[in-house]
Amino acid sequence: EAQVTQNPRYLITVTGKKLTVTCSQNMNHEYMSWYRQDPGLGLRQIYYSMNVEVTDKGDVPEGYKVSRKEKRNFPLILESPSPNQTSLYFCASSLRGTNTEAFFGQGTRLTVV
Amino acid sequence: KQEVTQIPAALSVPEGENLVLNCSFTDSAIYNLQWFRQDPGKGLTSLLLIQSSQREQTSGRLNASLDKSSGRSTLYIAASQPGDSATYLCAVVRDDKIIFGKGTRLHILP
Repeated sequence: EAQVTQNPRYLITVTGKKLTVTCSQNMNHEYMSWYRQDPGLGLRQIYYSMNVEVTDKGDVPEGYKVSRKEKRNFPLILESPSPNQTSLYFCASSLRGTNTEAFFGQGTRLTVV
Repeated sequence: KQEVTQIPAALSVPEGENLVLNCSFTDSAIYNLQWFRQDPGKGLTSLLLIQSSQREQTSGRLNASLDKSSGRSTLYIAASQPGDSATYLCAVVRDDKIIFGKGTRLHILP
């Protein structure tokens, strides 16, 4: 089944403890991206990747890192999480850039205390 | 800076009615516009993608239109059903970035 898989689905962590949220797609998509969704602010793009080893900042990249060493994986790294990074995170992929249909993961609800 | 606005923020209609959801954007230089559906506790599902050169796209009971010059798109849902209850999001794309509206929360009354 074609899908985007995020792990974990739920995570509670403490301020400053490094964490990684994984994202994997099995559709051989070139484009992958991360979003956060907050009440009243909607979905905002954090980082995106056009292909392997090519990443770029979205609208809210501060406090986040990404890497794209393989086509299928696009992990989101929080080196030193803070409470303002408490949010619902989504990973998405599309075949070729943003001009093709986007497929979203189920989301990761992160709480930083 | 591109801004995407969706009106209304919430909408309740009786089952069987036809309805229109609105999306407006401030910068008409877009590559495409996409409509998504989000169910509670779940990710987004792509509904329709309209390229900048197109005027509309149809899928089943859904029809989306795009007027770039006025910065507007509409999502028309025909013969609404309780299963259509969800949040509908529009997103515009330019320069490899996707900008979302805040969505319209739709409730179809049985």
